[in-house]
Amino acid sequence: QKEVEQNSGPLSVPEGAIASLNCTYSDRVSQSFFWYRQYSGKSPELIMSIYSNGDKEDGRFTAQLNKASQYVSLLIRDSQPSDSATYLCAVQISNFGNEKLTFGTGTRLTIIP
Amino acid sequence: DTGVSQDPRHKITKRGQNVTFRCDPISEHNRLYWYRQTLGQGPEFLTYFQNEAQLEKSRLLSDRFSAERPKGSFSTLEIQRTEQGDSAMYLCASSPTGAGYGYTFGSGTRLTVV
Repeated sequence: QKEVEQNSGPLSVPEGAIASLNCTYSDRVSQSFFWYRQYSGKSPELIMSIYSNGDKEDGRFTAQLNKASQYVSLLIRDSQPSDSATYLCAVQISNFGNEKLTFGTGTRLTIIP
Repeated sequence: DTGVSQDPRHKITKRGQNVTFRCDPISEHNRLYWYRQTLGQGPEFLTYFQNEAQLEKSRLLSDRFSAERPKGSFSTLEIQRTEQGDSAMYLCASSPTGAGYGYTFGSGTRLTVV
């Protein structure tokens, strides 16, 4: 079982709709969760972080975390063509000295105008 | 602060040659990480530093790979006797020490081994 799993997509969503991206993780001691956006040929860019169960909103983005189900998701409201990118889920085990991020393979999102 | 800088942006080398990449992290960040990313995959951990100390090295990393961070500032990643399988994007990232901080990535160095 992979440590961090994402549906690779591609996920196609009409412009203006809600895009829903999902991620599951295997290590129950994981405590910090991050979503990165990566445009083709570019490096990952941090867009959201979440640490507690529930929802966290930042503009058009909402991150959702359910530690009991080992599940984290990202919702993008009012999707724009500029949101077309690969979205990487990353998980951090917060033990001092072992705080590297483990990434999923990413979900490729395409917003259709 | 201009963020994380990586040099060069692109490197083409012949199989068997040695290559070295440089990373300059955000100056306030004590942690520096190296990752490798191939097409269609997420970034794969290689190694990381707390100041000048190398705290962890991936078991996937062969002995052809070595990294340094002298004086706890910039870091170099060297690959000796390159192989075609080393072709990838090499990403450097930095963060403050402690849990809960995401990384800031550099632009990456794209290595092509021919």
